Amino acid sequence: DAKTTQPPSMDCAEGRAANLPCNHSTISGNEYVYWYRQIHSQGPQYIIHGLKNNETNEMASLIITEDRKSSTLILPHATLRDTAVYYCIVRLPDDYKLSFGAGTTVTVRA
Amino acid sequence: DTGVSQDPRHKITKRGQNVTFRCDPISEHNRLYWYRQTLGQGPEFLTYFQNEAQLEKSRLLSDRFSAERPKGSFSTLEIQRTEQGDSAMYLCASSSTPTSGSIHEQYFGPGTRLTVT
Repeated sequence: DAKTTQPPSMDCAEGRAANLPCNHSTISGNEYVYWYRQIHSQGPQYIIHGLKNNETNEMASLIITEDRKSSTLILPHATLRDTAVYYCIVRLPDDYKLSFGAGTTVTVRA
Repeated sequence: DTGVSQDPRHKITKRGQNVTFRCDPISEHNRLYWYRQTLGQGPEFLTYFQNEAQLEKSRLLSDRFSAERPKGSFSTLEIQRTEQGDSAMYLCASSSTPTSGSIHEQYFGPGTRLTVT
């Protein structure tokens, strides 16, 4: 009963922007969109989250469509250290647990 | 305090043995979570604590699994009579209690990789 759909893998050139799509067509009005990433042999790391508006922090930007049925995580200048599995998660404010799918394996190539 | 720590990082055990893992959360966090991750899959929720109270256990947590957080600080996860299917990465995370209308992100430890032979 996955709430999100992500491509299984994508490649990106070092120094270029990486645009990671996520579909969440059944998202409800008060569910947030969260992104985590997991570098090999490490635990997941929080990146960013949003409800309706686009968000930006030091790691990435999150663009959420007006109908909220999809979003895009943007890594503006990908580096080799951004190679990881990226997870898109939708979550209610009072959800205490994270429901991870299989994510997108992003490989940044020199 | 630099983050969530877990010990050991790796554990190899023989089928039928008991194992115990420890998690030390970020000190000011009162919520603690355990997840399990098998190869090629995302982490799956096992259980969570608010302070010392265990508030939910997933169906994945069979009766061979037990978790404690005796003083609301560190937590242990014990697996009794290990089976080969228990081989996985066991991840611990912690967070603050969210205030109304907000969510606090979870901070994960590096995990304990269990191999049951």
